[in-house]
Amino acid sequence: KAGVTQTPRYLIKTRGQQVTLSCSPISGHRSVSWYQQTPGQGLQFLFEYFSETQRNKGNFPGRFSGRQFSNSRSEMNVSTLELGDSALYLCASSLQVASYNEQFFGPGTRLTVL
Amino acid sequence: AQSVAQPEDQVNVAEGNPLTVKCTYSVSGNPYLFWYVQYPNRGLQFLLKYITGDNLVKGSYGFEAEFNKSQTSFHLKKPSALVSDSALYFCAVFSGGYNKLIFGAGTRLAVHP
Repeated sequence: KAGVTQTPRYLIKTRGQQVTLSCSPISGHRSVSWYQQTPGQGLQFLFEYFSETQRNKGNFPGRFSGRQFSNSRSEMNVSTLELGDSALYLCASSLQVASYNEQFFGPGTRLTVL
Repeated sequence: AQSVAQPEDQVNVAEGNPLTVKCTYSVSGNPYLFWYVQYPNRGLQFLLKYITGDNLVKGSYGFEAEFNKSQTSFHLKKPSALVSDSALYFCAVFSGGYNKLIFGAGTRLAVHP
């Protein structure tokens, strides 16, 4: 069974631009969560989608948004990029909602904002 | 406040020696506790979890963790470390109040030959 895939793996953008990251969960998994990983802040929860509905959202500004499609694939969008948005963005999927279920992580998308 | 603390930024162990990576948590209600490992340029991999039941949980690659409710700890252990265990280890707790997984800052494990 294929793992979680994320595209693109690397991305370079300039301030003010917007970016869309994509995540394909493991087949059959209905929950997709997104995390931001930085050296200073560590791993921070962005949001979780389950059956196309946003289940929860972390403490990030409205510039960060996401969606989930009927095939469980998910996209994350960041508008008006800032230098501080440079990070590794990780997507994780689980069979059911991410509570007591283990999550399976993708390799991440490394975003650099210049 | 819901939180996870990993008090050591780095743990150094000689190959063949036992290792412990510490984790304490603060969460209201019953905790769901997890350990994940991250190798360079990779995503996180699930090692083990505690939901309920036996306080000693066994996981992947020979790792185990002990849930201690009175000390609110969930330390990761392995009887004999391997050089290939060198990686970044994250403890996490699911907070029902916030409905999300909260990660510790991570502990870098370095196993020396």
